[in-house]
Amino acid sequence: QVQVVESGGGVVQPGRSLRLSCAASGFTFSSSAMHWVRQAPGKGLEWVAVISYDGSNEFYADSVKGRFTLSRDNSKNTLYLQMNSLGPEDTAVYYCARAVNTLIETWGQGTLVTVSS
Amino acid sequence: EIVMTQSPATLSVSPGERATLSCRASQSVSSNLAWYQQKPGQAPRLLIYSASTRATGFPARFSGSGSGTEFTLTISSLQSEDFAVYYCQQYNNWWTFGQGTKVEI
Repeated sequence: QVQVVESGGGVVQPGRSLRLSCAASGFTFSSSAMHWVRQAPGKGLEWVAVISYDGSNEFYADSVKGRFTLSRDNSKNTLYLQMNSLGPEDTAVYYCARAVNTLIETWGQGTLVTVSS
Repeated sequence: EIVMTQSPATLSVSPGERATLSCRASQSVSSNLAWYQQKPGQAPRLLIYSASTRATGFPARFSGSGSGTEFTLTISSLQSEDFAVYYCQQYNNWWTFGQGTKVEI
């Protein structure tokens, strides 16, 4: 079945960096755009970024533009989110999700990122 | 940015009752509107897409309607497993979510 599994979350100090990974299975990863969506504790959902199926295009929410970078390795069926200059406002569960056309379809279980000193 | 506004924030209903959730877009999103269901401690799950198409695995008591700027999610007869937070999301122009409606007993 279609599955995405996030990893790499944890506690990080303000100003530091963290890289999240998302391992995909059960579908043709190299044909699918992929998204990251985050959810701060007790809050709603916020779209973060999307990368095209081949990695040639990336788009970011204004709140993370210039600090976060998406990449993918289609040979490993893996998506990455490099997060730099992290602040307390980035504390959230980060969900990786598969896109079907422009629809965000299948979500992973998420990985928690806590930015705290 | 297209702003999505959901109402009410919380909906208190009893099992077996009908629930009607609303979602309004700040500008037209055509039918590019999805609903997601999120239960505590779980990831969101796609419930409705293209405003009215039910996703795999959800029963017929869930239905979506609307186009343009006004959308509705209806749960015809609430079951215990339906108590959750429901988010609408537009995917017509980038991606933005509503703030969610919590359906509670």
